[in-house]
Amino acid sequence: KAGVTQTPRYLIKTRGQQVTLSCSPISGHRSVSWYQQTPGQGLQFLFEYFSETQRNKGNFPGRFSGRQFSNSRSEMNVSTLELGDSALYLCASSPSTVNTEAFFGQGTRLTVV
Amino acid sequence: LAKTTQPISMDSYEGQEVNITCSHNNIATNDYITWYQQFPSQGPRFIIQGYKTKVTNEVASLFIPADRKSSTLSLPRVSLSDTAVYYCLVGGMSRDYGGSQGNLIFGKGTKLSVKP
Repeated sequence: KAGVTQTPRYLIKTRGQQVTLSCSPISGHRSVSWYQQTPGQGLQFLFEYFSETQRNKGNFPGRFSGRQFSNSRSEMNVSTLELGDSALYLCASSPSTVNTEAFFGQGTRLTVV
Repeated sequence: LAKTTQPISMDSYEGQEVNITCSHNNIATNDYITWYQQFPSQGPRFIIQGYKTKVTNEVASLFIPADRKSSTLSLPRVSLSDTAVYYCLVGGMSRDYGGSQGNLIFGKGTKLSVKP
């Protein structure tokens, strides 16, 4: 069974640009969550999607957005990039049942210069 | 969502048992306790989850006292490859959303260093 796949693995963008990251969850998983990880702030929750609907949202500005498609694949978009957006962005997927574990991808390393 | 407190770092030697304790004084009735392991530049990996008493799987045990205000992750006979950051998470699953995974609140984690 394939794991969570995130693309691209590495990305370098210029301040002010926008970026789109992709996440393919484990087959059959309907919940996809996104996290930002930085050395200073640690792992922070961005948002969660379930059956194409955003269910939860973390405390991030509106420049961070996401969506989920009917096949459960998800994308997150960051507009008007800032230097502080440099981070490892992680995607996690979960089955639809309660009390289940989250499976994380290897992340996308975004560097804003 | 309940806040968790765990030691910033721990050192151990190969073959020893390691116990990492997490405090979560404000845990709610429907909150579960979950532990994740993370290696550098990789996503966290689920280790174990429990609600009360003791849970054991092939890699770890989780001890939860009756008041559930703390929990202890026990790693038997650690090896060098267990050197990683361990996160304790407390949160409820969104039962009202038909079982979707709620957001996970990660604390700073415990950096475990296993020495030969």
